[in-house]
Amino acid sequence: GAVVSQHPSRVICKSGTSVKIECRSLDFQATTMFWYRQFPKQSLMLMATSNEGSKATYEQGVEKDKFLINHASLTLSTLTVTSAHPEDSSFYICSARLPSGYNEQFFGPGTRLTVL
Amino acid sequence: QKEVEQDPGPLSVPEGAIVSLNCTYSNSAFQYFMWYRQYSRKGPELLMYTYSSGNKEDGRFTAQVDKSSKYISLFIRDSQPSDSATYLCAMQVTQGAQKLVFGQGTRLTINP
Repeated sequence: GAVVSQHPSRVICKSGTSVKIECRSLDFQATTMFWYRQFPKQSLMLMATSNEGSKATYEQGVEKDKFLINHASLTLSTLTVTSAHPEDSSFYICSARLPSGYNEQFFGPGTRLTVL
Repeated sequence: QKEVEQDPGPLSVPEGAIVSLNCTYSNSAFQYFMWYRQYSRKGPELLMYTYSSGNKEDGRFTAQVDKSSKYISLFIRDSQPSDSATYLCAMQVTQGAQKLVFGQGTRLTINP
């Protein structure tokens, strides 16, 4: 149980285009999902917390208009990188928290974004 | 000062050795402590989850928490080449959105 999937696993796009990344909880309902980015040989940095049916909460320094998050259902959250630039190239990972009463987060396999 | 400090390594040990991985933290509000294993180009996988001070054992893995010293450890016994990965400690407070704060991660290599 507690499986989280991400799609796509890898994407290459041109500068200026937008890219959408999906995060799904496959066998449980996740009221809260989290989006992280990870640069090579560095730790995960939280970008935003996504709550089903409400606006995402962004961490300081993360542009909410650039990184659009939608959590329309209890099993799906999406991250859209708008007008991507080469500096947005990174490994994006989502996680989902089990329903209320549990604190563990389970991570997706990640999406590697390369912006040319 | 970072909230969570973890030696990035790399750490290289022979197969069968006991591995000790550590993190220190500065925020006394942290109540939940986790260890994740991350293989190259993959998402982190939860290994151990602890709340109270003391030891928690799961197979070859033992997690140790010392809240008075703000210090946590992960021990791996009888290490295997398949244990080669990056190990991340993570911590969480009880209030708010319960976001995780990660250490930098330690790259571990087990040599056959």
